[in-house]
Amino acid sequence: GEDVEQSLFLSVREGDSSVINCTYTDSSSTYLYWYKQEPGAGLQLLTYIFSNMDMKQDQRLTVLLNKKDKHLSLRIADTQTGDSAIYFCAETLPRPPRGGYNKLIFGAGTRLAVHP
Amino acid sequence: NAGVTQTPKFQVLKTGQSMTLQCAQDMNHNSMYWYRQDPGMGLRLIYYSASEGTTDKGEVPNGYNVSRLNKREFSLRLESAAPSQTSVYFCASSEGWIPGRSSGANVLTFGAGSRLTVL
Repeated sequence: GEDVEQSLFLSVREGDSSVINCTYTDSSSTYLYWYKQEPGAGLQLLTYIFSNMDMKQDQRLTVLLNKKDKHLSLRIADTQTGDSAIYFCAETLPRPPRGGYNKLIFGAGTRLAVHP
Repeated sequence: NAGVTQTPKFQVLKTGQSMTLQCAQDMNHNSMYWYRQDPGMGLRLIYYSASEGTTDKGEVPNGYNVSRLNKREFSLRLESAAPSQTSVYFCASSEGWIPGRSSGANVLTFGAGSRLTVL
């Protein structure tokens, strides 16, 4: 089946690293994504990784993908209060052979709280 | 830099009333989507439009209808609102599938959301 799971809450101290984890069930996933939702706003893409990669780094963000275990993580270094938000993991399934929509499955989101 | 604009931001309805959520994008995207967000459930796809002139059901289409009015606009209609439709609704768009191009990441741009309460 198609499912993406994340823990619902994470609390970290300002300046520490945050690690948000995600597991998915469909091994045919082509891309995996991290979106960020700030209070009262829509989701914004943070980063994404192609399924044949195992790591991607972008400034304070590091994405690790373990395809064998179907596990994706997002590490935020030097976490700041501005990083407080809900983080959504998502996967894209392969596009149907005749084209059209390549399905995007979202997890329930992890609420990151950063405290002084 | 408007991106995806959706209206209204807030709406309160009584059971049985109807309303339309409007969405417009200015990025020349082919595909548009309507999601609903409920606590602990993440985002669930209601309907999508892979390209102008087409619409398809997502995971939770019951009680909703959509219209892809043109390439820019994609509206969501609740014909007879029910309390179970109390939610935050997000419109999104993406470049979508382009014939002849190899599959790439399906990156969505989201609107700010519309909070709907049905009493």
